[in-house]
Amino acid sequence: DAKTTQPTSMDCAEGRAANLPCNHSTISGNEYVYWYRQIHSQGPQYIIHGLKNNETNEMASLIITEDRKSSTLILPHATLRDTAVYYCIVRVLISSNTGKLIFGQGTTLQVKP
Amino acid sequence: GAVVSQHPSWVICKSGTSVKIECRSLDFQATTMFWYRQFPKQSLMLMATSNEGSKATYEQGVEKDKFLINHASLTLSTLTVTSAHPEDSSFYICSARVTGAPAYGYTFGSGTRLTVV
Repeated sequence: DAKTTQPTSMDCAEGRAANLPCNHSTISGNEYVYWYRQIHSQGPQYIIHGLKNNETNEMASLIITEDRKSSTLILPHATLRDTAVYYCIVRVLISSNTGKLIFGQGTTLQVKP
Repeated sequence: GAVVSQHPSWVICKSGTSVKIECRSLDFQATTMFWYRQFPKQSLMLMATSNEGSKATYEQGVEKDKFLINHASLTLSTLTVTSAHPEDSSFYICSARVTGAPAYGYTFGSGTRLTVV
């Protein structure tokens, strides 16, 4: 089962920051948090991932709470093309050096003009 | 970099026939690949994990004799849906773990839409 819970849907105004929350209260100390998004009928697209520290790349920022029980994905300036389903995923280890991604239900983000 | 190519992008087959879907890592070697299934308006469900040169590990409830997975090389994994029925119609997506490139982690193919008539 997925180890994350997310709101089913969110709206955001174009040009504003989109903040997508995720709860992962049962996360273990060595499990990473990954964020992907999926636009209709396409494969998921990697956004960002992290373990403990906040992370930032050209697409987004990931803020992880100190107790690691929740995180927030921030899209700093949402555009209409950011409308998608966003998945917060805790990678489940299957060996010492690899893991599998178990998807939850995700958040449908609608960016509005 | 780290591109996964999935083929075909869509396929229609008759009930009772078998369909093979290919997943190739184009510019990296993938020792581990993953197969997912997605029904309309639902999330991705992990079906199995395939490891190069060994048997696939199936998730609970997934029929291994119906969904045959072969990972014979470091760049190719195949999923064969045997004796397909209309309830097998779905969007099938593969993924590969990219070693040595933490910026990617896991990259996904573009998916295969299977329709069984």
